[in-house]
Formats: sequence, structure tokens, C-alpha cells
Amino acid sequence: KAGVTQTPRYLIKTRGQQVTLSCSPISGHRSVSWYQQTPGQGLQFLFEYFSETQRNKGNFPGRFSGRQFSNSRSEMNVSTLELGDSALYLCASLPMAGEVNTEAFFGQGTRLTVV
Amino acid sequence: GDSVTQMEGPVTLSEEAFLTINCTYTATGYPSLFWYVQYPGEGLQLLLKATKADDKGSNKGFEATYRKETTSFHLEKGSVQVSDSAVYFCALRIVGNTPLVFGKGTRLSVIA
Repeated sequence: KAGVTQTPRYLIKTRGQQVTLSCSPISGHRSVSWYQQTPGQGLQFLFEYFSETQRNKGNFPGRFSGRQFSNSRSEMNVSTLELGDSALYLCASLPMAGEVNTEAFFGQGTRLTVV
Repeated sequence: GDSVTQMEGPVTLSEEAFLTINCTYTATGYPSLFWYVQYPGEGLQLLLKATKADDKGSNKGFEATYRKETTSFHLEKGSVQVSDSAVYFCALRIVGNTPLVFGKGTRLSVIA
């Protein structure tokens, strides 16, 4: 079965622009989470969606937003890009939300570079 | 809040050496514990997990035991291979509606 698909894989944007990243979870999975990975901060949780509803949100400014569609695909948007937003953005899918012991499946990530 | 602390890297070992990567946690509730691995250019993959105290998770020669008394979940492997070179993340998740909380990762390089 197909894994988690993130597009695009690489992106270069200029400060002040906005960007939209996409994540298609494993077929049948309804929960999608987003993480930001940087060398200094490691993996930081952005938000989690389940059945088109945001269930959890990390400690990021309002410039970071997301949504989930009825087919469980999710997008995250970053507006007014800053240099510090350069990172690997990872998406994880789970069958359901709130199942503590269930494995989260990760995509390969989108490498965003802000110049 | 909930947090995971793991040893800083990078760690460089010769092939067939013994590996330990330390991980300790702080949790407000009763966590499940995980080790994820990230190979170059890839996303994270679950390596092993343990869901209650004294459980031992194991996979591909790696092991970790959930120690509630020391709030630890150290990763070990008796004989590493070059193919084990990757970044290893310790993580926890509290029962209920909470996300995975990760440590900062430990980069392992194994040289032949």
C-alpha cells in the first residue's frame, strides 16, 4: 500500500512570500500531523487534523496554518515567510487520532529554504 | 510539560561496536515510548516501542526497556553495522489526545 506522500520535496522561497505544502496520508488513515524539523530545535509539533478538524496545535505563530480535506489530504500554509522558517516539514499519518500506541507513518518531508 | 532528553551526538562507532543512546523523559501522564530512525533523505520510521513499565521493545537487533523508576528508555544494539548510520529519535506519547513529543535526535555514524 502506498505510503505518505508529501509534495513538493524541495522548495525555495523568498522572505515575505507564502507557501503551501501538501500531504496525502496512507489510504484509510484519517489523522494527519505536521512537524517542523530543524538542526537546532529538532522535531517540533505544528498541528494535527482528524476528520477535517484541528485537534491539536503546537506553539507556532499564526502565520502557520493548515487544513484537511474530506479525502484526508492535508495542506499547511506559511505566510510572510521568514529566514527562520527554513526547515524540513514532515507529515505523519495515523489511522485514528488519540490512539497512543499506534505507529505514526511519516512522509519524506518537504525541504523549504527561505532566502 | 512533557519532554524527552536524549544524548547529544554525533556518535561515531566502528562496525561491530556496542551502541547505547541514552533517553530520559518527563511526562505528566503515563506515556508510551518510541524510538524512531531517520535514514539520510528519508522521513522517520518506527524502530521499536514499549507501552508500559518493564516492557522491552526490540527490532533489527535494537532493544530498549521502559524503566519507569529512572524515567528512561535507552536504545542499545550489540553490534552495529554501517547500514545503521542514521539519526535516532526518542519520543513519547501520553494517552489521550496528544501528539508525539520528540527528543532532538542523535546522529550515529558507523565506519567500516
